[in-house]
Order: sequence, then C-alpha cells, then structure tokens
Amino acid sequence: EPEVTQTPSHQVTQMGQEVILRCVPISNHLYFYWYRQILGQKVEFLVSFYNNEISEKSEIFDDQFSVERPDGSNFTLKIRSTKLEDSAMYFCASFGVSEQYFGPGTRLTVT
Amino acid sequence: EDQVTQSPEALRLQEGESSSLNCSYTVSGLRGLFWYRQDPGKGPEFLFTLYSAGEEKEKERLKATLTKKESFLHITAPKPEDSATYLCAVRGDRLFNTDKLIFGTGTRLQVFP
Repeated sequence: EPEVTQTPSHQVTQMGQEVILRCVPISNHLYFYWYRQILGQKVEFLVSFYNNEISEKSEIFDDQFSVERPDGSNFTLKIRSTKLEDSAMYFCASFGVSEQYFGPGTRLTVT
Repeated sequence: EDQVTQSPEALRLQEGESSSLNCSYTVSGLRGLFWYRQDPGKGPEFLFTLYSAGEEKEKERLKATLTKKESFLHITAPKPEDSATYLCAVRGDRLFNTDKLIFGTGTRLQVFP
C-alpha cells in the first residue's frame, strides 16, 4: 500500500514564528499538494507543485507561505510568520495515475 | 464556481442497515470524482476514483456510482468499524487551469452494534 509520510505529527509554535512542515510523497509520483483542514471544516486546497514549480495556488497561499522540494524525496511547506488562524491540520498529498493519496497530517497549533 | 455538496451531514445506522450517501457537484469539466474515508485526527484515506457517468466501483461493503451531476456511496450491511466521515471531492479539468481537489464537508457516519 503506497504511503505518504509527514513530520512532525504535532507542532506547537508561537505567533510570528516560522514553521516548516515536511512530507515524503510516494516515490514515483510527480504531482504534490498541500491542503489544510481547520477543525470542524472542510479540507481546503493550498498549493500544487509539479516539475519543481508551483502549478496552482489558492487565495490562502499568500506571501507567508512557500513550498520546496529540496531533494528527490522531501516536499516542504514553510509558513514564515505564523498567525493564530493558521492553526489547522496540514495534509500533504501526492497524485499517481488515478489516485490522490494523503499523508496523516501535521497538527499545527499557533499560540 | 466549482462546488461539492454532501448529504446528509450525519447518518446513524444500525449494524446491517444499508444506506447511501450523496455527493452532488458542479465543476468545469470533471477529471475525476474521489471518495475518501477520514477518521478523527487522521488524513483522508483514498477509497475510489470515478471518471464518467455510469461508472461504478466496489470495495468490500462500499460501492460508488457516478452520474453527470452526483455520486452515491452505497454502504451494504455496515459494521461499527465503518464509522467515519466520508468525503467526496472533485478534480477539475486542466483546460480550466485547475488541478486541485475540491472537497465537500463530508458525511459523518456512525454505525451502532
């Protein structure tokens, strides 16, 4: 069974601090995504990444957010200066031929 | 605007009592309708992808069907371990410069013994 992994599982940070969320997508996939889910709300798209560049981003994905694929395996989401409203579950996903697999998520708590 | 609506919001079933969950959608060119299961505090677990009206897919007690405007997830003789939130999502057409999944709010299913 293919698996997307994410670290850390839970991150607590203070408002204004930078956080980096890490993901290891499925190895032969080419499309990578970040989504978030605020408690009790629907899963929301943040950004998609293909061929080492952003292919699409949502209105949520402002200048405070960035993504990187620093090597052949890791895919990271950076939030430069966290706000209280960034508290959410952040999911990484990777897309194969016909399935989009999600990771277990990182719970980000901004205090 | 692309949109996904799921109903009901919550469903309580007795073990063995079959039922269906609905997902209606509007999208600019459908490039896949996805069903996921989500347990509390976990990531969405992939179940099915459907591409064209009339298509059906099955996995254990679950069967997903697709029409031009909606999809159904049929649960036959559910067990307590089927209790979860079931999410529907659509993927639009790249011709419209979009590649993301748009999710509904989900149906929270509880199955009682």
